[in-house]
Amino acid sequence: DAKTTQPPSMDCAEGRAANLPCNHSTISGNEYVYWYRQIHSQGPQYIIHGLKNNETNEMASLIITEDRKSSTLILPHATLRDTAVYYCIVSNFGNEKLTFGTGTRLTIIP
Amino acid sequence: NAGVTQTPKFQVLKTGQSMTLQCAQDMNHNSMYWYRQDPGMGLRLIYYSASEGTTDKGEVPNGYNVSRLNKREFSLRLESAAPSQTSVYFCASSERQGLDEQYFGPGTRLTVT
Repeated sequence: DAKTTQPPSMDCAEGRAANLPCNHSTISGNEYVYWYRQIHSQGPQYIIHGLKNNETNEMASLIITEDRKSSTLILPHATLRDTAVYYCIVSNFGNEKLTFGTGTRLTIIP
Repeated sequence: NAGVTQTPKFQVLKTGQSMTLQCAQDMNHNSMYWYRQDPGMGLRLIYYSASEGTTDKGEVPNGYNVSRLNKREFSLRLESAAPSQTSVYFCASSERQGLDEQYFGPGTRLTVT
C-alpha cells in the first residue's frame, strides 16, 4: 500500500471549515483513499473514501487532486464533537489491510 | 442494532496467563478483523476473517490465535500473555473484505503485568 503523510496536528475554529491535507505521492492506479477518525478512546469511525473523483456525504467532502498524489478532507462546519485524530489511508479495493498511520490530531477551538 | 460489541471492556492479566477477547456483530457482515493500538500509535492488524470459516494473519499475529465461531462472532485468544501485549484491542467488521467501510467496536483495554 502507498504511504501517506499527514500533519501531526491542526486547529480549527468552531463553525469554520476544517481542511485536512494528506499526501500520497506513491499511490497506484487501483488504490483508493479512505478517511477514518478516532474520537478519544473510541473505536475508529469511517468517514468517506474515493478513487479519483471528488466525493461528498453527510459527514464530509473528499477532494482528490487530478494527479491523485494528494487529497483534502473537508468538514464544512466544524463542531466541538469533530475533535479527533483523523487518519488518511490508501489501500487497494479488496485489500483486507487498512494501514493506520499516526494521523492528524484536529482540535476544534470554541 | 448494537453494531460491534466487545467483551470485556477492561482486563488486567499477569504474565503467562491466558484469556479470550470476544467480539460479535449484528450487521450480518461477512468479514471481521482484530487490531491492536499502542499508545500514540495507529492501529495494526492482528488477524482477519474474510468470511465464516476462514482466518488469515495480519501484520502482527505472533502471540495470538483467533476463532471465527460463526458469522457473528470472532474471538481473539492470548495463550500466554506478555507485557508487550499491553494494548487496546479493537474488533471491526465489514460487509465484504476490503470492499466496504469497516465498523469498529468500543475496544478492550488490556494490561499485562
